[in-house]
Amino acid sequence: SQQGEEDPQALSIQEGENATMNCSYKTSINNLQWYRQNSGRGLVHLILIRSNEREKHSGRLRVTLDTSKKSSSLLITASRAADTASYFCATVPAGNMLTFGGGTRLMVKP
Amino acid sequence: DTAVSQTPKYLVTQMGNDKSIKCEQNLGHDTMYWYKQDSKKFLKIMFSYNNKELIINETVPNRFSPKSPDKAHLNLHINSLELGDSAVYFCASSSTNEQFFGPGTRLTVL
Repeated sequence: SQQGEEDPQALSIQEGENATMNCSYKTSINNLQWYRQNSGRGLVHLILIRSNEREKHSGRLRVTLDTSKKSSSLLITASRAADTASYFCATVPAGNMLTFGGGTRLMVKP
Repeated sequence: DTAVSQTPKYLVTQMGNDKSIKCEQNLGHDTMYWYKQDSKKFLKIMFSYNNKELIINETVPNRFSPKSPDKAHLNLHINSLELGDSAVYFCASSSTNEQFFGPGTRLTVL
């Protein structure tokens, strides 16, 4: 099974709305990362949050981490059509190999 | 300049053939990776290569073998291709936590 699992699998919103994606994982981690993948392209790193951090911001992105619940959320505020993409969380469990979840497909309608 | 590049972008071949995908990074990173992304967009790490140390995901068949002629290159060789090998293969590199991905190679096995 996937170490990181995103929820929802797909999300459709209107431009200007906020988009929230959740990620759950199973084992202890050193850090959790969020990546974005545009259709037909490679993944692009968005943000990293360490296991001793609870919240982190980068531009319109806000990431939270709850290690007691083994979960993280990615919030994109004031979404734009250009935010349409798949978003993946990735964790580094024991063994230090980055493990990705199944992704959330976000569609932002203009 | 492209940070992580892969060739070819598309590869169509018959079952049983042997093929290679090339990857090059110009970021000076120490570690390179190969990932497989299936039709459901699940991304699975296949190999991690760092300073001549190879870490293999145990689920990867031994028909797959990475070869690194130098620090900037990690090529993926696949022997006796099977239908189930059809996927998009991504190369990535890193020096710390953030990974930089190539554009992907779409492999289709007929």
